[in-house]
Amino acid sequence: AQSVTQLDSHVSVSEGTPVLLRCNYSSSYSPSLFWYVQHPNKGLQLLLKYTSAATLVKGINGFEAEFKKSETSFHLTKPSAHMSDAAEYFCVVSVGGNEKLTFGTGTRLTIIP
Amino acid sequence: EAGVAQSPRYKIIEKRQSVAFWCNPISGHATLYWYQQILGQGPKLLIQFQNNGVVDDSQLPKDRFSAERLKGVDSTLKIQPAKLEDSAVYLCASSSWDDQETQYFGPGTRLLVL
Repeated sequence: AQSVTQLDSHVSVSEGTPVLLRCNYSSSYSPSLFWYVQHPNKGLQLLLKYTSAATLVKGINGFEAEFKKSETSFHLTKPSAHMSDAAEYFCVVSVGGNEKLTFGTGTRLTIIP
Repeated sequence: EAGVAQSPRYKIIEKRQSVAFWCNPISGHATLYWYQQILGQGPKLLIQFQNNGVVDDSQLPKDRFSAERLKGVDSTLKIQPAKLEDSAVYLCASSSWDDQETQYFGPGTRLLVL
């Protein structure tokens, strides 16, 4: 079975400071990992994905994530937060090329002006 | 490239009424998914279609939910009769044959059952 755990339900940072959203995964096989963002009343948008190539993955809007197998983690980071980053972020796992996605419970990111 | 389209965007009904949602995937995408997202939770897969065939409907409450994708393009999801606990956002997603792991989501339909 596969699962992801998002360690923080809510993160608040000041504009211009770094963002760290934490995600741990559990999988019996080599996982594919994703981060999706959901702005209010909008659909889910893919930020980035890891599929066993480079462990440091760069995504859109300045976000990146690092796959650490030894720590079973896939944390999302951004060097400098922008007001437009305020949204809900979901860590997602799929296994073995199976397109079935398992979502975490989400982390709400608030940006303080 | 047009994204995944869904309608309606919002729907309010009373319990025991029926409701239907429509989804048009990205052109050429063979795989279509319906998810249910309850407030404060991540999306949960209800049903997955490959062209017009069902691949996975293990999480679909079949006593009240039904879905179809008759011509392998657009799809409808129906709830009959609705219960209070069906209040949620219903998301449609699609993926292409050569990259089925990457799913593209529509804006969702927000359902409120009173």
